[in-house]
Amino acid sequence: EAGVAQSPRYKIIEKRQSVAFWCNPISGHATLYWYQQILGQGPKLLIQFQNNGVVDDSQLPKDRFSAERLKGVDSTLKIQPAKLEDSAVYLCASSFLRNSGANVLTFGAGSRLTVL
Amino acid sequence: GNSVTQMEGPVTLSEEAFLTINCTYTATGYPSLFWYVQYPGEGLQLLLKATKADDKGSNKGFEATYRKETTSFHLEKGSVQVSDSAVYFCALSDRDGNNRLAFGKGNQVVVIP
Repeated sequence: EAGVAQSPRYKIIEKRQSVAFWCNPISGHATLYWYQQILGQGPKLLIQFQNNGVVDDSQLPKDRFSAERLKGVDSTLKIQPAKLEDSAVYLCASSFLRNSGANVLTFGAGSRLTVL
Repeated sequence: GNSVTQMEGPVTLSEEAFLTINCTYTATGYPSLFWYVQYPGEGLQLLLKATKADDKGSNKGFEATYRKETTSFHLEKGSVQVSDSAVYFCALSDRDGNNRLAFGKGNQVVVIP
């Protein structure tokens, strides 16, 4: 099966500019996650969708970050305006079922953002 | 809240050496435990998992045992290869239905021929 697709793979912007990342999950996966991975750290969950509804966005900096999954399939994550500390890899993941603590997440290759 | 702690620093070792990466966790209840691996230029991939105490997860020669008494899930491999060079992340998922993963900081493993 096709994996989780993400684009762009790399993006360099200046601070205060905006950027958007796109993710297409595995077909049939109802749950979609966006993680932020800062260099030298483990991934941190930003937002979780179940179909097109938000399950958890408690760690999303809502003053500058937004995400949507309008038709319950692909998703976009936007940052506006970007700050230097937003430099990170943004990982998208998807899973089939929500209600099981043993579900496996499938990750995309990530979108690396550099803010200058 | 839930958290995962991995041993500090990168790990450098020779081919065919024994690998151990320590992982301990803090969680309420009984989480599921995972090891994910990230090869250069690729996304995170599940390496192995365990869902209850004393379970042993295994894959590609790697093993980890869910130790509830020591809240640990250490990763081991008896004889590493150059192709095992990657970053390894320990993670846990609670059972509240959200399937949310909490990750450790990761350990860079470099295997020298």
